Amino acid sequence: EVQLVQSGAEVKKPGESLKISCKGSGYDFTTYWIGWVRQMPGKGLEWMGFIYPGDSDTRFSPSFQGRVTISADKSISTAYLQWSSLQSSDTAMYYCARRGRYTYSQYFEHWGQGTLVTVSS
Amino acid sequence: IVLTQSPGTLSLSPGERATLSCRASQSVTNNQLAWYQQKPGQAPRLLIYGASSRATGIPDKFSGSVSGTDFTLTISRLEPEDFAVYYCQQYGSSPLTFGPGTRVDIK
Repeated sequence: EVQLVQSGAEVKKPGESLKISCKGSGYDFTTYWIGWVRQMPGKGLEWMGFIYPGDSDTRFSPSFQGRVTISADKSISTAYLQWSSLQSSDTAMYYCARRGRYTYSQYFEHWGQGTLVTVSS
Repeated sequence: IVLTQSPGTLSLSPGERATLSCRASQSVTNNQLAWYQQKPGQAPRLLIYGASSRATGIPDKFSGSVSGTDFTLTISRLEPEDFAVYYCQQYGSSPLTFGPGTRVDIK
């Protein structure tokens, strides 16, 4: 069974750094792209970026390029989403999700449970 | 590509048919559009990809269709567990984009 298990909720202050994680199991972690999706409180879904854990190739939405870092450690089947300096506007639920099998399958077949990030002074 | 979903909210009774619309601002390459269901407090769940292919384990009461830049998700007979928010997502071009969602609630 494919599973994506995300790290727990975080409460941070503006300006602090943060790294959240997403551990995959039940499949070959290195051969499927993992994406990150933001959902602000009461709002819709926004694609942030992808990583291919096999070679750490990354792609970003222009809206998030330069604002977050996406990385992966294939030895422990874990992907990461990282901020160097959080803002209150980063308060949201963040989901990791595995893409479909093929290069063109840029939809999300399997989702993590989400990590709630709250940024408040 | 901007996706516009309508209506914003659909109020129906169990057993009724639901028709949800997703209109793209321009052509979606190879009709690469997916539909997701999201219930309160849960992650989204993939229902449809490629405009009309059901994801693994999705019952056949869910169906997708396309005409030009107009995509439709149909739920043939609503059951209590189908009341949720539904999102469309295009993946034919970058950046990937989602529609704002349609809420299906109980009338």
